[in-house]
Amino acid sequence: AQSVAQPEDQVNVAEGNPLTVKCTYSVSGNPYLFWYVQYPNRGLQFLLKYITGDNLVKGSYGFEAEFNKSQTSFHLKKPSALVSDSALYFCAVRDGRGTDKLIFGTGTRLQVFP
Amino acid sequence: NAGVTQTPKFQVLKTGQSMTLQCAQDMNHEYMSWYRQDPGMGLRLIHYSVGAGITDQGEVPNGYNVSRSTTEDFPLRLLSAAPSQTSVYFCASSYSGRGLREAFFGQGTRLTVV
Repeated sequence: AQSVAQPEDQVNVAEGNPLTVKCTYSVSGNPYLFWYVQYPNRGLQFLLKYITGDNLVKGSYGFEAEFNKSQTSFHLKKPSALVSDSALYFCAVRDGRGTDKLIFGTGTRLQVFP
Repeated sequence: NAGVTQTPKFQVLKTGQSMTLQCAQDMNHEYMSWYRQDPGMGLRLIHYSVGAGITDQGEVPNGYNVSRSTTEDFPLRLLSAAPSQTSVYFCASSYSGRGLREAFFGQGTRLTVV
């Protein structure tokens, strides 16, 4: 069965510093991976996705993610954090070929301090 | 663009009551789904639909019914509400054609069962 793990419940970082939110996956076949962000009292918003190709994927709001097949990881990164990046971040994987079903991680709360 | 619209935003039910959570999308997406979000558990799939007239169960379907009579609408029915169904519910839709597309989420319905 496909699964994703987000090992950190919360990540704290100072504004201006680089940030990393970790995600590891377990899939049979090719992984199709996503990152979503949830701001308080809002729905999830798409940030970026990996299907195939370059291991560094660029997305919205200056975020990027690095796909590492050998480590089965898809970590979310940003070179310089903003206070407004504080939110709940979810990693997700498509649940098998030929389906749009997504399996989500448990989420990581990012807190950026001024 | 309205995107995915969920109503109501908030609801309090008594144990045993029934209700329907509404979800509508105006993007002509074939795939629609319902998730529940609980602290520390991420998003879990309740039911999904790959097109009008076709629905299937997700990870946590018990106590919920769905139907899909039109492409636009995908209501979620709680048959007899229980306190364990207290949660935040999200509806999502995505394009199921060629290529991997991201899901669009509604703003959520916060349900409390007392």
